[in-house]
Amino acid sequence: GAGVSQSPSNKVTEKGKDVELRCDPISGHTALYWYRQRLGQGLEFLIYFQGNSAPDKSGLPSDRFSAERTGESVSTLTIQRTQQEDSAVYLCASTLMSSSYNEQFFGPGTRLTVL
Amino acid sequence: QKEVEQDPGPLSVPEGAIVSLNCTYSNSAFQYFMWYRQYSRKGPELLMYTYSSGNKEDGRFTAQVDKSSKYISLFIRDSQPSDSATYLCAMSGVGGSYIPTFGRGTSLIVHP
Repeated sequence: GAGVSQSPSNKVTEKGKDVELRCDPISGHTALYWYRQRLGQGLEFLIYFQGNSAPDKSGLPSDRFSAERTGESVSTLTIQRTQQEDSAVYLCASTLMSSSYNEQFFGPGTRLTVL
Repeated sequence: QKEVEQDPGPLSVPEGAIVSLNCTYSNSAFQYFMWYRQYSRKGPELLMYTYSSGNKEDGRFTAQVDKSSKYISLFIRDSQPSDSATYLCAMSGVGGSYIPTFGRGTSLIVHP
């Protein structure tokens, strides 16, 4: 079956604009995670969903960042009033469930550049 | 000090060499230890995971965990140019949401 998909693959925006990033998880995966990866850095956890609720939002850097998920399907990560330090690759991953260890499957990421 | 430390490299080796990649960590609650491979402009993919201490082998890859030293390793035997990628270690505790903490990754270059 299809893997995790993300769109757009690349996004260039001007400082101060809002952007919306989309993630389509693997069908049947109830847990979905968003990460940020700055150049040369590891993955920084942002938020995760179990179903359409977000038990852990602790990684969101500021109130400019928000995310939502529709049922056990698509999720969108929204960054308002983008800043240059938001430039990074935003990765989404999904897994069967979050209540035990399960392999996380990653999408290819969205490369965001804020000018 | 970060919870997970990993040398970013780059590590350059000739084809056929044995490669050793390592991470150290500080959180004694970590029980799951993972190695991901990430090719340029791609998402990470899980190579291996180990629960608690010990060794695990899969083909040319061997993962080792030494919890007493808080040190994990990934060995790649008979390295190939196709192994050229960034290798990220990750680890998580038991319970909660199993959200892994990642190292910054080591860039590996295997030249023919």
